[in-house]
Amino acid sequence: GDSVTQMEGPVTLSEEAFLTINCTYTATGYPSLFWYVQYPGEGLQLLLKATKADDKGSNKGFEATYRKETTSFHLEKGSVQVSDSAVYFCALSSSSNTGKLIFGQGTTLQVKP
Amino acid sequence: GAGVSQSPRYKVAKRGQDVALRCDPISGHVSLFWYQQALGQGPEFLTYFQNEAQLDKSGLPSDRFFAERPEGSVSTLKIQRTQQEDSAVYLCASSLQDPRNTEAFFGQGTRLTVV
Repeated sequence: GDSVTQMEGPVTLSEEAFLTINCTYTATGYPSLFWYVQYPGEGLQLLLKATKADDKGSNKGFEATYRKETTSFHLEKGSVQVSDSAVYFCALSSSSNTGKLIFGQGTTLQVKP
Repeated sequence: GAGVSQSPRYKVAKRGQDVALRCDPISGHVSLFWYQQALGQGPEFLTYFQNEAQLDKSGLPSDRFFAERPEGSVSTLKIQRTQQEDSAVYLCASSLQDPRNTEAFFGQGTRLTVV
């Protein structure tokens, strides 16, 4: 079945460091790919998405490119801030289902000043 | 309301007790999902409604779990004879149309603890 694998956390960085959180997926067909973020005490929020191969999703300085050849959707940010501290979830929605999301296990990011 | 609202935020149930969790989606949203999130894990799909129709319930872990959305708006997830393994955060999400094309908005969840 469809699945998503994320790098394990926690990831601890200093402010202004470069961030990469790896995400790979297994799916039939052509899924849409998402990154969701969960800030402390808040609900899941969509951060960015890409719906077809080679698309780049971007938001708030974060980027991820849909790589079909490597089945990956790695999240990157050039300079993290303390306010980026949160749990990040990679997810997919298969073209063959009802639109339900299949999530990775989440990666905790802690940014220190 | 402005967002997806879930109640209660926290629920402690004794093993064997029945519980009901409520989700108020964003007004006008057609699609509604329930997910279960165990501690330290990503959310896992439970069930999907399009308006009042339950189109997918393949993720419900047992026949103790039941969900309804009778008028195509508010939804209730009911768990009968709760067990300790049911302890998790239950998330509700809604989207305007097909969630593959429109953003899914999540509530803050209900944290269920079975003792």
